Amino acid sequence: AQRVTQPEKLLSVFKGAPVELKCNYSYSGSPELFWYVQYSRQRLQLLLRHISRESIKGFTADLNKGETSFHLKKPFAQEEDSAMYYCASQGAQKLVFGQGTRLTINP
Amino acid sequence: GAGVSQSPRYKVAKRGQDVALRCDPISGHVSLFWYQQALGQGPEFLTYFQNEAQLDKSGLPSDRFFAERPEGSVSTLKIQRTQQEDSAVYLCASNRQGTYEQYFGPGTRLTVT
Repeated sequence: AQRVTQPEKLLSVFKGAPVELKCNYSYSGSPELFWYVQYSRQRLQLLLRHISRESIKGFTADLNKGETSFHLKKPFAQEEDSAMYYCASQGAQKLVFGQGTRLTINP
Repeated sequence: GAGVSQSPRYKVAKRGQDVALRCDPISGHVSLFWYQQALGQGPEFLTYFQNEAQLDKSGLPSDRFFAERPEGSVSTLKIQRTQQEDSAVYLCASNRQGTYEQYFGPGTRLTVT
């Protein structure tokens, strides 16, 4: 069965500092991995997908199959990055989410 | 264009009541998903439709939960004889066939008292 683990429920960093949100997965096949974000009073939305290897809003995430990790990183945090972040894997259409990390960027 | 919409946005039900939650997906989206999000947790998959066919209902927690999408567009999630543990946000998402990104609705917050 797929499982996604986000070990930190809360993460607080200062503006301008680097950010890393951790995500580990267990999946027997080749996983499709995503980061979804929910800003305050907004709906859940896709941030990035591992296959695209894009940088969205300055965030990147590298799939490490050896460590079964898909950590989300940003070199310089901004206040507007404060939000709930969910790591998710996809198999057979449905998404399996981690429990989420609430990121707070302090001024 | 309009995104996924859900109604009602908030629902308070007394234990034992039946509730019906509605989802209007983005026009033309073939796939529709329901997720349940308990407080402090990530969304958990309930069920999935492709057009009107319910292809996966493995996440429905009990036979009190029933979902339908009779014409392949609007979907209704029904919960019979609600229990306190049913209190959660119920999220609906849709996507186009052959694409990966799921577009989420704002959710319905169900509180069972």
